[in-house]
This record gives sequence, C-alpha cells and structure tokens, in this order.
Amino acid sequence: ETGVTQTPRHLVMGMTNKKSLKCEQHLGHNAMYWYKQSAKKPLELMFVYSLEERVENNSVPSRFSPECPNSSHLFLHLHTLQPEDSALYLCASSQEWGLDINYEQYFGPGTRLTVT
Amino acid sequence: AQSVTQLDSHVSVSEGTPVLLRCNYSSSYSPSLFWYVQHPNKGLQLLLKYTSAATLVKGINGFEAEFKKSETSFHLTKPSAHMSDAAEYFCVVKEGGSYIPTFGRGTSLIVHP
Repeated sequence: ETGVTQTPRHLVMGMTNKKSLKCEQHLGHNAMYWYKQSAKKPLELMFVYSLEERVENNSVPSRFSPECPNSSHLFLHLHTLQPEDSALYLCASSQEWGLDINYEQYFGPGTRLTVT
Repeated sequence: AQSVTQLDSHVSVSEGTPVLLRCNYSSSYSPSLFWYVQHPNKGLQLLLKYTSAATLVKGINGFEAEFKKSETSFHLTKPSAHMSDAAEYFCVVKEGGSYIPTFGRGTSLIVHP
C-alpha cells in the first residue's frame, strides 16, 4: 500500500450515530490534515497535526473530534452530525509543517459522508 | 496576507486544442504556488509547484505554469487537451509568513471530443 489511504470510502449515518473516519499515510510524513470539501465551496481546512500534536483547529464544531495516535494514522470521530455536514472528507499529509515550509500535500481519495 | 483567485469556474475546450486555466494570487511574502488536479471521486493530485526557482515550471501529463510576479499570476497551460484531462483544477498559494496554504475555488475543465 502506498500513498494516503482512507476508509471507508462511503459512509451513510443518521444524526444520532457515532462513526469514525480513518486515514493512513505510508510516506513517512510528519504532518497530517483533515479537509472538508462541499459542493460549490472552497476546500475547508479542519485540523492539522504535526508530529502527532494538533497545531491547527480551524473553528470546527465539537461534533468533529480528531485523533492522531502516531504519525502514520489520523482519525476523525463523528457524533450527532447535521445534514449540512454531508461532504467529501479528505485526508492529506506533507513532509513537514510550519512557516517557510513549502512541501506539497499528498491527498487520500476521500470519504463521501452522507448524514440523513 | 495571502489569497488566490481562479478566474474561471468552468473552462470548455475541444480535444487537441490548448488549455489555459487562470490563477491570480496575492501575497505579502515570497509565495510558493501549486496546481492540483482532482478527478471525479478521487483525491487531489499535485500537478506542479513553484518555489522561487525557475519561473516556468513543468509538471506531469504535459502541463506547465509560468510564475509572473509583475502580473501576480500563475496560469496553467497545456498545448493539447486530452479527454482524460477533464477534471477539477485547484490553484494554491502558501507564503513564507503563513502556516496554512490557501486553495482557490477550483476550475472545472470540460473536454469535448
């Protein structure tokens, strides 16, 4: 397995459910990201982890809870979501994170989430 | 502060004709600029990046972009479009004084046979 993988690829959940999205990177990178991609909206950065420490939390509602147990894995725990949370959730990684850092990001294929 | 504007939400071309996707940026510091492509139901893939070396950057699949500081532009071009180029394209800027890259809203490239 190479690159960035995400599971599941598709998820349908009710508003009272609890589910988790998983991301794994096989690139030896130190930074990992969660993005939300909604139709007709710019890509929204949600969270950034650098060396397993959360360094960015972009005003995301508490019903989204990230977890980074090690530098290769990233989770997004979901609970009591709203229909407007339906979107494509993309995980990405980069070699490093910081000022004056210009490494490109490598993206996973995304999880298509539908909240009913 | 950094920002990026993709001037066209949709671009339609015929197969075999040139492609031009326009991107203007704003940056207070020397920027790094990227183009990514996203095919349907896929993640984003890096096409090319500019990081203050040569102003003409060559990427994958025959794409290239030219950094023009005087025009604050980083337009993406390809001499001859293929059907497989149909996708969403994102221009991204990250300046030295920022932790976070800024993504454009995307340009949808439609290729007609």
